Amino acid sequence: SAVISQKPSRDICQRGTSLTIQCQVDSQVTMMFWYRQQPGQSLTLIATANQGSEATYESGFVIDKFPISRPNLTFSTLTVSNMSPEDSSIYLCSAQTSSGSYEQYFGPGTRLTVT
Amino acid sequence: SQELEQSPQSLIVQEGKNLTINCTSSKTLYGLYWYKQKYGEGLIFLMMLQKGGEEKSHEKITAKLDEKKQQSSLHITASQPSHAGIYLCGALRANSGYALNFGKGTSLLVTP
Repeated sequence: SAVISQKPSRDICQRGTSLTIQCQVDSQVTMMFWYRQQPGQSLTLIATANQGSEATYESGFVIDKFPISRPNLTFSTLTVSNMSPEDSSIYLCSAQTSSGSYEQYFGPGTRLTVT
Repeated sequence: SQELEQSPQSLIVQEGKNLTINCTSSKTLYGLYWYKQKYGEGLIFLMMLQKGGEEKSHEKITAKLDEKKQQSSLHITASQPSHAGIYLCGALRANSGYALNFGKGTSLLVTP
């Protein structure tokens, strides 16, 4: 299994500012992902965080708005840029372990409120 | 794109009763994950099913995969208040490096 932590756990931000969310895994993992969960909704994939290369974004999500870094096999960041109230969501990172079992674990989430 | 439909959307059961949640995919399932989410928190991994007919259990929770029907079911035996939460099914996407598509979730409340 993998234990994933996220910072911050929650934040209230002003419109037009940016927030960087950190995701730390306690072991090396192959794949890391970022999801968004809007109020009352299910999870939507934002992007796959690729180690050593640019992230792969889903339709509707762009690098300028959601830049992602993954400098090594245990850490990734997601930045929510130029925020608007529509960005108020829970942001979750997940990781697939390297064991070959395809198990995927999630962090506790970052609850973002944009005012 | 793949859609996952969960039923029921919500469920209220009395403590001690059994219950079943279903997850049906619009496309072939390559891997089906079940998670539990406490309100506003992260997802807790329950189990993952890959092969048709596969069945896994964890404590009082059992999940089965019916590959032909493109469906999975999650069964809780003798429910307890600690089982309350939102149950989400997620399916491996065929061509996106193991990311998941999710259903909308089933909200479970267990009453004393």
